[in-house]
Amino acid sequence: KQEVTQIPAALSVPEGENLVLNCSFTDSAIYNLQWFRQDPGKGLTSLLLIQSSQREQTSGRLNASLDKSSGRSTLYIAASQPGDSATYLCAVRVDAGGTSYGKLTFGQGTILTVHP
Amino acid sequence: NAGVMQNPRHLVRRRGQEARLRCSPMKGHSHVYWYRQLPEEGLKFMVYLQKENIIDESGMPKERFSAEFPKEGPSILRIQQVVRGDSAAYFCASSPAPNYGYTFGSGTRLTVV
Repeated sequence: KQEVTQIPAALSVPEGENLVLNCSFTDSAIYNLQWFRQDPGKGLTSLLLIQSSQREQTSGRLNASLDKSSGRSTLYIAASQPGDSATYLCAVRVDAGGTSYGKLTFGQGTILTVHP
Repeated sequence: NAGVMQNPRHLVRRRGQEARLRCSPMKGHSHVYWYRQLPEEGLKFMVYLQKENIIDESGMPKERFSAEFPKEGPSILRIQQVVRGDSAAYFCASSPAPNYGYTFGSGTRLTVV
């Protein structure tokens, strides 16, 4: 059974810092991995999608890496801003074929606070 | 493109009533997924549907919960005889194919009183 763990559970940093959020998964047979952002009381916004054959994806100040063999992904946020404050969720799609491949397994999330 | 639309945004039901949650996927998306987020817990998969078919319902509680995605109209998640433990945020997502990234709706927050 796939399990996804995110560390740290919460992180508070001053504005301008570069930071790294970690995600690990127990079953390396994944199809892809997706990072989401969730604001309080809101839905999820997709940030980056990394296919299993890729090593990293970049979007603006965000960079996500994937090491499938070791079961790890990191989300790097450069020059953090107060507007980055949110919960960041990592989710993996298992490469099991058949009917299971549509399903995402989520981590518990990292609550990020960037203070001015 | 209006994105994934869920309604209502907030729903209050008394114990024993029925709750109906609606999800209209993005235009061109025929794959719909429902997830539940309980207070202080992560998002848990409930069910995966394609038009008129349930593909994977391994995350659905065995009783009181059902889902459909008819040929015409939105996907519906139906909870019969709601209990306090059903209070949660219910999120719908859609994709054009199962191996594509998801787009999530804003969720329906169900409160059972």
